[in-house]
Amino acid sequence: DGGITQSPKYLFRKEGQNVTLSCEQNLNHDAMYWYRQDPGQGLRLIYYSQIVNDFQKGDIAEGYSVSREKKESFPLTVTSAQKNPTAFYLCASSMTGTLDNTIYFGEGSWLTVV
Amino acid sequence: AQSVTQPDIHITVSEGASLELRCNYSYGATPYLFWYVQSPGQGLQLLLKYFSGDTLVQGIKGFEAEFKRSQSSFNLRKPSVHWSDAAEYFCAVGLSGGSYIPTFGRGTSLIVHP
Repeated sequence: DGGITQSPKYLFRKEGQNVTLSCEQNLNHDAMYWYRQDPGQGLRLIYYSQIVNDFQKGDIAEGYSVSREKKESFPLTVTSAQKNPTAFYLCASSMTGTLDNTIYFGEGSWLTVV
Repeated sequence: AQSVTQPDIHITVSEGASLELRCNYSYGATPYLFWYVQSPGQGLQLLLKYFSGDTLVQGIKGFEAEFKRSQSSFNLRKPSVHWSDAAEYFCAVGLSGGSYIPTFGRGTSLIVHP
């Protein structure tokens, strides 16, 4: 089935360590996104990419990094510079260049800093 | 800049009762409008979307929404709520095609009493 796969679902990290969250999609979508969601909060955009080898900062990019080496993949690294990384992370994707640019989401990854 | 307002943080209804979740947007042009649902610990699932045409849009799980240009609203409705509808609901506004990234509301938490 076509979709967006995030892994791992749950991840624990010690303070000072970097961690990478995986996001893969087989929808042939051009654009991919990373959002952060804190309990009881809405979505905040971290980074997005609309084409391979290019990406832009969202509203809260500090302490995060991404890469887009393949169309299907958009991994997010949470670095030790991120002050409060414990959150729920959502990956999403959409088409570009068409009238329908509906965003579709993965199942999310929980990151807890211990 | 565009904005999306979901005035109700929490809504409580009894099972079997009707439901209306409010969404107001601020944008100069005719936007694309979306409703998503999020169960606890899960990603966002698209319920329905409005691009053009009939202003009453049918979605999955028995939901519908009506676009009212004069009121800048896109309220979500369901005639009879089931306990499984308890979730977080997000309204989003975007533009057609291109590289436009939708703006999400803060969400409305739906509580269903038996």
